[in-house]
Amino acid sequence: GQQLNQSPQSMFIQEGEDVSMNCTSSSIFNTWLWYKQDPGEGPVLLIALYKAGELTSNGRLTAQFGITRKDSFLNISASIPSDVGIYFCAGQKGSNYKLTFGKGTLLTVNP
Amino acid sequence: NAGVTQTPKFQVLKTGQSMTLQCAQDMNHEYMSWYRQDPGMGLRLIHYSVGAGITDQGEVPNGYNVSRSTTEDFPLRLLSAAPSQTSVYFCASSYTGSGTPGANVLTFGAGSRLTVL
Repeated sequence: GQQLNQSPQSMFIQEGEDVSMNCTSSSIFNTWLWYKQDPGEGPVLLIALYKAGELTSNGRLTAQFGITRKDSFLNISASIPSDVGIYFCAGQKGSNYKLTFGKGTLLTVNP
Repeated sequence: NAGVTQTPKFQVLKTGQSMTLQCAQDMNHEYMSWYRQDPGMGLRLIHYSVGAGITDQGEVPNGYNVSRSTTEDFPLRLLSAAPSQTSVYFCASSYTGSGTPGANVLTFGAGSRLTVL
């Protein structure tokens, strides 16, 4: 079953606000990925993290690979209406190619 | 490049009917997989393949079959559809590796929405 705990499940914010979401696990992961899914589309990669402690930015998005390798965080600064969607974390561990996904965070941005 | 192409985009079946969801990728990815997405459940892995001729079960394989005769194609078969298989199905692929940037980063198709009555 699911091994990643993603929170919060949903967020309702005003345009311009900052957003934070995270994923935690009892297992150690080698790779953390953050995806965004727009309505009616497949998930699209936002940020990939490969080293513990790594902090990576993609425009207004910043993600971190936790030091313990059991968690990851995604921050969105100055949110805009097009940030609306479902954000998924995913982790990969060991030599197993399979990704484990969190259940997603539904973000709604009020203009 | 087209990336990952899924067909059909929408399908309605009656209980007991069979069908195949098609998936093709043109990125020469070794790894291909099928997920289903249900409200509140996230993405759950159905079956996956690490290369032509090799397939394995994921988290929720019951009721589904797959085959991988070529690197490009990875069809998902429902032999006898049930209402519990109503879902959105995503095919995804990646190249493989361990610790290599870009490895195991899945590229998703646009999805196939299946309704079983």
